[in-house]
Amino acid sequence: GENVEQHPSTLSVQEGDSAVIKCTYSDSASNYFPWYKQELGKGPQLIIDIRSNVGEKKDQRIAVTLNKTAKHFSLHITETQPEDSAVYFCAAEGGYNTNAGKSTFGDGTTLTVKP
Amino acid sequence: DVKVTQSSRYLVKRTGEKVFLECVQDMDHENMFWYRQDPGLGLRLIYFSYDVKMKEKGDIPEGYSVSREKKERFSLILESASTNQTSMYLCASSLGGHDEQFFGPGTRLTVL
Repeated sequence: GENVEQHPSTLSVQEGDSAVIKCTYSDSASNYFPWYKQELGKGPQLIIDIRSNVGEKKDQRIAVTLNKTAKHFSLHITETQPEDSAVYFCAAEGGYNTNAGKSTFGDGTTLTVKP
Repeated sequence: DVKVTQSSRYLVKRTGEKVFLECVQDMDHENMFWYRQDPGLGLRLIYFSYDVKMKEKGDIPEGYSVSREKKERFSLILESASTNQTSMYLCASSLGGHDEQFFGPGTRLTVL
């Protein structure tokens, strides 16, 4: 099955700096890569996603890049703000059992933005 | 707004008890999921369902079963709760493949 590795597990940045979280996946057939943000006491919520026919996608301060050859994708947050502090999860989907929409998640990155 | 609700935010049970965790979604989604979240281990899939009465095992199904009698409701059952099942349980739903998953707020289960 799919295996997703996520780094780093914790990340601390100063407000206004950029943050980068990286993920690698093992199944070359995976073709959908969502990123979720989980705030304290809540369930994860999608913040951005990318599909395999696209190399980069941007939404305001958040961007995701995908390198299918190397099987890795990254989340970039620019001009970080304290409200960006949360746990971020990457995921990969596709290949085996695509119809069910089954995603494999990374272990999560705890981002802390210091004012 | 899509809403996924879980029957309890906090639950305390004793070893050996049968435990039911309920999840309801209000957007007519085909897929529903149960995950377990433990520190440092991310979200691990227990079971998922892509249609009424259909279910498939995820990565860690041992000790759990599920039921989906109606499209909007997906139940997780711990037949005989054990202390190593103390965890945060998250339910999610999605419209179909390659779609956003909408998560409930989670149920923190403690088994004593």
